Amino acid sequence: SSELTQDPAVSVALGQTVRITCQGDILRNFYASWYQQRPGQAPLLVLYGKNERPSGIPDRISGSRSGNTASLTITGVQAEDEADYYCNSRDWSGSHLVFGGGTRLTVL
Amino acid sequence: QVQLQQWGAGLLKPSETLSLTCAVYGGSFSGYYWSWIRQPPGKGLEWIGEINDIGSTNYNPSLKSRLNISVDTSKNQVSLNLTSVTAADTAVYYCARDGGGEDCGPSSCYFYYYMDVWGKGTTVTVSS
Repeated sequence: SSELTQDPAVSVALGQTVRITCQGDILRNFYASWYQQRPGQAPLLVLYGKNERPSGIPDRISGSRSGNTASLTITGVQAEDEADYYCNSRDWSGSHLVFGGGTRLTVL
Repeated sequence: QVQLQQWGAGLLKPSETLSLTCAVYGGSFSGYYWSWIRQPPGKGLEWIGEINDIGSTNYNPSLKSRLNISVDTSKNQVSLNLTSVTAADTAVYYCARDGGGEDCGPSSCYFYYYMDVWGKGTTVTVSS
């Protein structure tokens, strides 16, 4: 299967650490990329590759992978981190891109 | 820095054709794939398809029969046409630049893909 599965919602207290996961068999062969989407805005790439951040993305956002699960971790969560987060990869054929269903992060 | 500007009709009737264009400014057009993604109201992201500068395309199988993505390299533009639209095609449509690479360790390599530049989105509503 080329599906990517995410928990629909996660909540975390301000200043704490949160991990958002993405599961899928294709992640055994590909790294996921991660996107942050705030309400009314276009998605923003925040992580890609083994643990790469585009310019301007704070280093409190990090990534990892174990088996078929990719994780995005935010340490010292800020109010501005409240958003929807999507994972993404190519499928087994390499010809199609797939997204996870998204995780809504709520900062308490 | 690369910017994507997109435009197209925002209100369609059922059975009409959705047409959107995305122009690339401030960076290289060649050597990349350019994707279209959509997001229905209150729902997640769905990849529609992609095209590169020589016109090679990949389409989401669920949309392939109604979809055509084209490129105009003289204008650094990519276009999306989706025929026979219904209310289910109501969404915000984004264009984005595809990137990728390979990370190799001592015993294996892993590929990665991403979309690093996004347009602001175009809201398309299908209603009679």
